[in-house]
Amino acid sequence: EVQLVESGGGLVQPGGSLRLACAASGFTLGSHSMNWVRQAPGKGLEWISYIASSTTNKYYADSVKGRFTISRDNARNSLYLQMNSLADEDTAVYYCARLGSGIYLEDAFDIWGQGTVVTVSS
Amino acid sequence: DIQMTQSPSSLSASVGDRVTITCRASQSISHFLNWYQHKSGEVPKLLIYAASRLQSGVPSRFSGSGSGTDFTLTISSLQPEDTATYFCQQSYSSPPYNFGPGTNLEI
Repeated sequence: EVQLVESGGGLVQPGGSLRLACAASGFTLGSHSMNWVRQAPGKGLEWISYIASSTTNKYYADSVKGRFTISRDNARNSLYLQMNSLADEDTAVYYCARLGSGIYLEDAFDIWGQGTVVTVSS
Repeated sequence: DIQMTQSPSSLSASVGDRVTITCRASQSISHFLNWYQHKSGEVPKLLIYAASRLQSGVPSRFSGSGSGTDFTLTISSLQPEDTATYFCQQSYSSPPYNFGPGTNLEI
């Protein structure tokens, strides 16, 4: 079964750090570009970061640029998000999401993880 | 960045109704528009990609149309399990893959 499973969420104080992981199974992670998306309580979906399959290109939303770092280990079939200088507004469910393959589908998030909850609070 | 808007922000409909949700981009995005369904407590699910292409396994009552700046998601005959929030997403100048604010659909 094609699946993404996130881990690493939890309660952290403002200014703290967390590292999220996303483990892929049922497919080769290295064949896909990957993303992190979050949903704050009562809010919509917010794209926050992208990494190309080759790891060469990385992009971030302005809201996390300079604080979050996306990375991947294709040999371990895993995606990561290092989150530093966390603030209250980073409280959210964090999802990893796969960009599909094939014409047109390569521009859509076809597989999502179940999400991991990050709570930033003192 | 390209900004996405959706209307309505919420709607209530009955089983069997035909429902249309609209998404508008701040500039032309050709056909690079995706629709997702997000049920409370569940994982977001891709419904439509490239404006009108039905993702594998998605019921045929879902359809998408549009190009340029204006797009629609239509559910031809609403079912109880369609209660969810629906998001559009542009993938034209991406990243960033901006989402619309969502439409809450209540059956």
